[in-house]
Amino acid sequence: EVQLLESGGGLVQPGGSLRLSCAASGFTLSTYAMSWVRQAPGKGLEWVSASSGSGGSTYYVDSVKGRFTISRDNSKNTLYLQMNSLRAEDTAIYYCARSRFLEWPDNCFDPWGQGTLVTVSS
Amino acid sequence: QSALTQPASVSGSPGQSITVSCTGTSSDVGGHNFVSWYQQHPGKAPKVILYDVSNRPSGVSNRFSGSKSGNTASLTISGLQVEDEAEYYCSSYSSSSSLGVFGTGTQVTVL
Repeated sequence: EVQLLESGGGLVQPGGSLRLSCAASGFTLSTYAMSWVRQAPGKGLEWVSASSGSGGSTYYVDSVKGRFTISRDNSKNTLYLQMNSLRAEDTAIYYCARSRFLEWPDNCFDPWGQGTLVTVSS
Repeated sequence: QSALTQPASVSGSPGQSITVSCTGTSSDVGGHNFVSWYQQHPGKAPKVILYDVSNRPSGVSNRFSGSKSGNTASLTISGLQVEDEAEYYCSSYSSSSSLGVFGTGTQVTVL
């Protein structure tokens, strides 16, 4: 069964850092582009970042550019999101999701993980 | 990277058909067929129900259909059922920014 399992969320102070992980099972991570999507409490979905299958190409929404880094360890079948200089507005559930293709772009994200909650507060 | 525009809410009675619109620009919705729709029940992760404007993934009911005209995409749910009550989001790729973008979301209520 194809599954994604996020971890690493938690409470962090403004200006702090967190690293999220997304463990993939049932498929080979290196053959798919992957994305991170977030959802602030009671709000809509926001696409955050994408990585090509090799990890050689990465993309970010402007609000996280320079602060967040998407990466992957294909040998561990795991995707990461390193989040630095966190702000209150980064508070959200963070989902990882698989694309159909090796390369970005794509619009079909399937499956999604269950999400991990990041709370930025003092 | 502005969100695509959707109505905040749409409602219908069981068995009826409803349509949810998603308006973007020529750089996203109107520029290609990378348009998808996601269904999200409370406390759950989103689930893709349509991709490439009108294609349904395996296992998704054929009561869900999609179309596009110009810069506006549409999701139609026919034979509305109680379990269709959820939040629906459209999504597109933006060729001007090379980024993904979601719609503002539409709460579908079954009366």
